[in-house]
Amino acid sequence: AQSVSQHNHHVILSEAASLELGCNYSYGGTVNLFWYVQYPGQHLQLLLKYFSGDPLVKGIKGFEAEFIKSKFSFNLRKPSVQWSDTAEYFCAVQLDSNYQLIWGAGTKLIIKP
Amino acid sequence: KAGVTQTPRYLIKTRGQQVTLSCSPISGHRSVSWYQQTPGQGLQFLFEYFSETQRNKGNFPGRFSGRQFSNSRSEMNVSTLELGDSALYLCASSLPAYEQYFGPGTRLTVT
Repeated sequence: AQSVSQHNHHVILSEAASLELGCNYSYGGTVNLFWYVQYPGQHLQLLLKYFSGDPLVKGIKGFEAEFIKSKFSFNLRKPSVQWSDTAEYFCAVQLDSNYQLIWGAGTKLIIKP
Repeated sequence: KAGVTQTPRYLIKTRGQQVTLSCSPISGHRSVSWYQQTPGQGLQFLFEYFSETQRNKGNFPGRFSGRQFSNSRSEMNVSTLELGDSALYLCASSLPAYEQYFGPGTRLTVT
């Protein structure tokens, strides 16, 4: 069965540290890729997406992600995190076969001020 | 454009009862997906409806069902509630093969 793995369930960083959250998927076909964020007490919202083209995509709030097809990965990065980035981050992969969205388990990110 | 709305926002039910949750998608979105979110299990996919047809289904028991109406509004029903059904139920709408937009969720507590 198709799956999405987020390697870290909890990450704690200090402000200004660099961030990289891993996301790997298992599906051999064409995919659309997403990162969503859920700030405390708020809706899930889209951070960035990849459909095709440049594998390095930029999202809101200074986040970016790189699609590496050969590694089935779509890692999320931010060069310098802020306290306001404290949230839960979800990676999701949409299959071209049936448009189903497969979700990772999420990574809780805590930024220490 | 109005976002995804879900009603009610909070609900308390007793074991054995049934519950119906409602979701109104963003105007023009014909795909509606439902998820269960709990601290221990994360985001679990329930089902997706597109043009009134269930297109995808997660691994939930038959007590969980849904439907979609011709105006794309969707309802989710849980029968014979169990304590373990306590969760945040999220609805998301989208255009086909595009990103999903989430509502605020319905917080269901089963006592």
